[in-house]
Amino acid sequence: KAGVTQTPRYLIKTRGQQVTLSCSPISGHRSVSWYQQTPGQGLQFLFEYFSETQRNKGNFPGRFSGRQFSNSRSEMNVSTLELGDSALYLCASSYNYGLGGNEQFFGPGTRLTVL
Amino acid sequence: SQELEQSPQSLIVQEGKNLTINCTSSKTLYGLYWYKQKYGEGLIFLMMLQKGGEEKSHEKITAKLDEKKQQSSLHITASQPSHAGIYLCGAVILIQGAQKLVFGQGTRLTINP
Repeated sequence: KAGVTQTPRYLIKTRGQQVTLSCSPISGHRSVSWYQQTPGQGLQFLFEYFSETQRNKGNFPGRFSGRQFSNSRSEMNVSTLELGDSALYLCASSYNYGLGGNEQFFGPGTRLTVL
Repeated sequence: SQELEQSPQSLIVQEGKNLTINCTSSKTLYGLYWYKQKYGEGLIFLMMLQKGGEEKSHEKITAKLDEKKQQSSLHITASQPSHAGIYLCGAVILIQGAQKLVFGQGTRLTINP
């Protein structure tokens, strides 16, 4: 089986712009979770989608949004980018959903740099 | 996160030695997870612990959950260079009445030959 894929792998944006990141889960997995990782804040949970519905959400502002399509692929959008949004964004897929309560498989991440 | 403390923050051990990494929560744990990460890359899920006293092993890595102490330990026996990386613990805890997934700051493990 192919692993979790994330595109793009690297991205450079400027403040105020918006960005969309994509994640394709492992075939058969219906849950996709998103995480943000920075040197200062560490790894933080953004949200989790299952069957096109957001099931769990972390403590991020409304500028961070996501969606999931019928084929389980997911996108994450960040609007009005700020310098502090520079981070490695990780996506993980699992068969079922539940706040890390399932074995998750992670993608390589998208490294976003905001200038 | 402040709710989850990992110790030590970094660890350098000689190849072949044993080591332990701890993860302590200030709140009730509803699940505890261990991950490994190579610098700048995605995470590898290692183990999930959900019941007090639970212990799981995978190859030379063993994790235990002490529910009373709200703590988990990850123990590596006879460390190898392949064990080097950043180990992260994650946990589901209650914050303001809702279950949230939080992570420790990570432990950077270096194995010297």
